[in-house]
Amino acid sequence: GAGVSQSPSNKVTEKGKDVELRCDPISGHTALYWYRQSLGQGLEFLIYFQGNSAPDKSGLPSDRFSAERTGGSVSTLTIQRTQQEDSAVYLCASSLVGSDYGYTFGSGTRLTVV
Amino acid sequence: AQSVTQPDIHITVSEGASLELRCNYSYGATPYLFWYVQSPGQGLQLLLKYFSGDTLVQGIKGFEAEFKRSQSSFNLRKPSVHWSDAAEYFCAVGPLSGPGGYNKLIFGAGTRLAVHP
Repeated sequence: GAGVSQSPSNKVTEKGKDVELRCDPISGHTALYWYRQSLGQGLEFLIYFQGNSAPDKSGLPSDRFSAERTGGSVSTLTIQRTQQEDSAVYLCASSLVGSDYGYTFGSGTRLTVV
Repeated sequence: AQSVTQPDIHITVSEGASLELRCNYSYGATPYLFWYVQSPGQGLQLLLKYFSGDTLVQGIKGFEAEFKRSQSSFNLRKPSVHWSDAAEYFCAVGPLSGPGGYNKLIFGAGTRLAVHP
């Protein structure tokens, strides 16, 4: 697509429920990144995909968080048994590996755990 | 360790006034530096980037930034601010070597800009 698309744009969920956040990167971008932006905080790196593999998962905060990418395109970030501290904006970005290192970001998913 | 510091959490300027947003970094080699802007409810948009060469770089929306190696700074400037510039601004540094040799960026905590009419 023309840009990075994320869905849903807003998600309110009850504590303890599982949620799935979706990212559709720019067509042809082999690199995909998930970041988390908490209120008043900077961007916290979560995970990086190169194609369908995730060489760097070092930012995932706990084993409740997982992500996958299929077909070198769409990625899903899953949070199991959500907690209130998971409330944040989850941003996805994509880029061409080895190009100008700039990322193109989606508009994010605002997750609120009540 | 690599890091990015944006010392100002909030800045308020009057419309038409000049603007400077500060960014300091810690990086072991010549960095690649970026400024992104985030309007409310939106993702981050790239304003400008520095890789090498001329230390004064021009970006979109009339912004510019100057790389000063001696001060480890990459401050963002605009001569005359418009009300539409109200947003959050993020400085980022990279690339950091990650598994698979990818281009990891580290972001600062952001500076929120308010513009008074």
